Amino acid sequence: EIVLTQSPGTLSLSPGERATLSCRASQTISNNYLAWYQRKPGQAPRLLIYGASSRATGIPDRFSGSGSGTDFTLTITRLEPEDFAVYYCQHYGSSLTLTFGGGTKVEIK
Amino acid sequence: EVQLVESGGGLAQPGGSLRLSCAASGFTFSSYGMNWVRQAPGTGLEWVSYISGNGNTIYYADSVKGRFTISRDNAENSLYLQMNSLRDEDTALYYCARDRFSGYGSPRLRDYWGQGTLVTVSS
Repeated sequence: EIVLTQSPGTLSLSPGERATLSCRASQTISNNYLAWYQRKPGQAPRLLIYGASSRATGIPDRFSGSGSGTDFTLTITRLEPEDFAVYYCQHYGSSLTLTFGGGTKVEIK
Repeated sequence: EVQLVESGGGLAQPGGSLRLSCAASGFTFSSYGMNWVRQAPGTGLEWVSYISGNGNTIYYADSVKGRFTISRDNAENSLYLQMNSLRDEDTALYYCARDRFSGYGSPRLRDYWGQGTLVTVSS
């Protein structure tokens, strides 16, 4: 079973700043089946990135994903007020079960 | 715009039943596999059940097998979860989620999620 470790746990930034979130897998993720989700209280989980670097439908281009193998990164180039949330990476594959990282909270500094 | 709206949650006694619904819009519902996923307080997301677009393929997590039944009505663009013999540990926020890809061997990427409906099992 792949374990995903996200860092940092919390990122304190100001609007307009750049956010860089890391996700490290305990073993190589094949086919780059790595996704990033945004979660806000009371709202549906929102898929941002899949395939490590493909933006989901309707996601602004300030969100980008990169990486391969075991190391992946989500970058938000210029934080907007609505971007302050918790971000999770997820490994998806043929298994029906869900494997998420522990999350990174991006909070207003 | 893709929308998934869950309903039917509430308070149930241990051993009781509830039926959850998920109303889908903004896409061709019958073309997509659908899932129920739950999150108990203080825990992570747990996949509960899957049904294929035509309803012919169904899977359950071991924790709910024999107690929960997933179904869909493609004419009504609706997904359902019949929950029987409820236990305290079924208390959770229940989400419906769409599978992005279909077909045998496709990766299980859930691209759209509803906001969830809360199920509380307590005497």
